[in-house]
Amino acid sequence: DGGITQSPKYLFRKEGQNVTLSCEQNLNHDAMYWYRQDPGQGLRLIYYSQIVNDFQKGDIAEGYSVSREKKESFPLTVTSAQKNPTAFYLCASGEGGTGELFFGEGSRLTVL
Amino acid sequence: GQQLNQSPQSMFIQEGEDVSMNCTSSSIFNTWLWYKQDPGEGPVLLIALYKAGELTSNGRLTAQFGITRKDSFLNISASIPSDVGIYFCAGPYSGSRLTFGEGTQLTVNP
Repeated sequence: DGGITQSPKYLFRKEGQNVTLSCEQNLNHDAMYWYRQDPGQGLRLIYYSQIVNDFQKGDIAEGYSVSREKKESFPLTVTSAQKNPTAFYLCASGEGGTGELFFGEGSRLTVL
Repeated sequence: GQQLNQSPQSMFIQEGEDVSMNCTSSSIFNTWLWYKQDPGEGPVLLIALYKAGELTSNGRLTAQFGITRKDSFLNISASIPSDVGIYFCAGPYSGSRLTFGEGTQLTVNP
């Protein structure tokens, strides 16, 4: 079945460690996105990529990094520079700039 | 980034009641979208609106693209327990970027 897969679903890390969240899609979408969700704040855009080997910063990119070496994959690294990394992270993919996105099930990161 | 004001922030209703929520923007949007997020899951697209004044239904859900292009409304009729979740409005700006409202948390009491 076509879809978008995030892993891991839950992740615990110590403060100061880098963490990489995986996002894979088999929908053949050109565009992929990473959002962060905190309680009561909706979804905030971290990074997005419209094509392989290209990506742009979103509204809250500081402390995060991404890569887009393959169309199917868009991993997100939460670096030690991110001041408040504990959050629910959502990956999405879409086509044509319509805003019709398909989301993964999310990864909940807790930094101890 | 672009800001969307969504209201109400939360709603507590009885099963069978109708629900209304809305979203406003300071800027004109060419597209309005409504997503629903079940607890612990990613959002799922419910309805997409592409034309000012457009009224679109999806089962018990009806959404409207405001005539000013700065607002949108979502109505749910005859609510059921599985309607529980967070409802987000969203609109694209600056190419393929999508901005989301802060969500309306819906609780349905059986």
